[in-house]
This record gives sequence, structure tokens and C-alpha cells, in this order.
Amino acid sequence: SQQGEEDPQALSIQEGENATMNCSYKTSINNLQWYRQNSGRGLVHLILIRSNEREKHSGRLRVTLDTSKKSSSLLITASRAADTASYFCATQDNYGQNFVFGPGTRLSVLP
Amino acid sequence: DTEVTQTPKHLVMGMTNKKSLKCEQHMGHRAMYWYKQKAKKPPELMFVYSYEKLSINESVPSRFSPECPNSSLLNLHLHALQPEDSALYLCASSQGPGQGYSPLHFGNGTRLTVT
Repeated sequence: SQQGEEDPQALSIQEGENATMNCSYKTSINNLQWYRQNSGRGLVHLILIRSNEREKHSGRLRVTLDTSKKSSSLLITASRAADTASYFCATQDNYGQNFVFGPGTRLSVLP
Repeated sequence: DTEVTQTPKHLVMGMTNKKSLKCEQHMGHRAMYWYKQKAKKPPELMFVYSYEKLSINESVPSRFSPECPNSSLLNLHLHALQPEDSALYLCASSQGPGQGYSPLHFGNGTRLTVT
């Protein structure tokens, strides 16, 4: 089953610009995670934000979480061509076992 | 390189064949997962093993049969597949319930084509 919904579905930007992706979900969560997937490869975990956190930073990544709106955003600053990938949000249930992925945003960073 | 190793990387099989996908991790994780991913779609959960016991089966057809021989290994046995089963099959692991909330670590997948 699919919980998170990302928008936009696809995003094209120039190198150096910022990229913002949004994710919405439906049920209560313990945490929300963002993953990156390069074409034909496995997913790589980027950042985890817990339900009692509102904002988190990691390098060029900034994640926000609004539990009242059941939404999250991922901001990538100063994008690079190497950031070209699909980005997925995933929610983890309170038992810590089931991860449900959103449909993803395909990001293209043009040199 | 990932810490979760999947073999083979590519597999082509006929509808009458029997094959197996293999996954191995040595991070001491106690939960292991099989996901199926079609092109331009998110991963869809198939099975979860927690402490070597099957804990989640997302109504997957019986032509897919998972097996967890030990805490480091996960297999997916395939039999009488259909062309629509062609997809990228991803294995993942996490610390497991009761170990805190941890992310998934994915392998690079097996690209399966059913002819």
C-alpha cells in the first residue's frame, strides 16, 4: 500500500539552484525518511526525521515535518548534476517494521 | 558499493523455470525485506522477516516463496512466473523491531525478466 504522496512527480532545474520536493502521508507515523535512487540501483537513505522534530539538516539537505498537515519537504541546496536521481519519502510505522514509500520525485539537474 | 549484496544482478527466466534470488547482509540487522519495483514506481513491499520469522506477507502470489535460512541470508524462490512479474527486486535490511528506529539499507537489486 502507498502512504506518502510526493510532488512534483518530476522536476528539472539548473545546477546551482535549489530543489524542493514535498511529501504527504495519511496515517500517524513514528518517523519519516527520505531516500535517493540512482537509475537501476538500490535506494540510499538520506535523512530521517522523527515525529517530534520539525526540521533537520544534513549537509546540503534540509527536511521539514509538519505532523498537523501530515506533510514533509526535502530541500536540496546548491544542486549538482550528481543529484540527478529519484527521491522517495517513506514512513515507518510505530512497530518499526513496515516502511511505506511514496510515488517519488524524479529530479534532473542540468549542467 | 552497498553493505547488502544481491545476486544475481540480472536474471532472465522462462515461465516454467525455477530460480532463486539471494541476499546477504553482515551488519547484524535482524529484519530483512523483499521489495518489488516496476519502472518509475516506488518499491512495493512483498515480505518482511523479523528475527528470521516471516512477519509480513503483503498478499504476494504463491509463485514467490521467501526463505530466511539465518539472520544474514534471505532468499526469494521463483516458480511459474508471469511476464508481468518482470521488475527490479530489491532486498533491504534494518536493525529490526525493538532495536530503535533505523533506516533501510538496500542492495542494488536483481533485474528480473520473465519471457
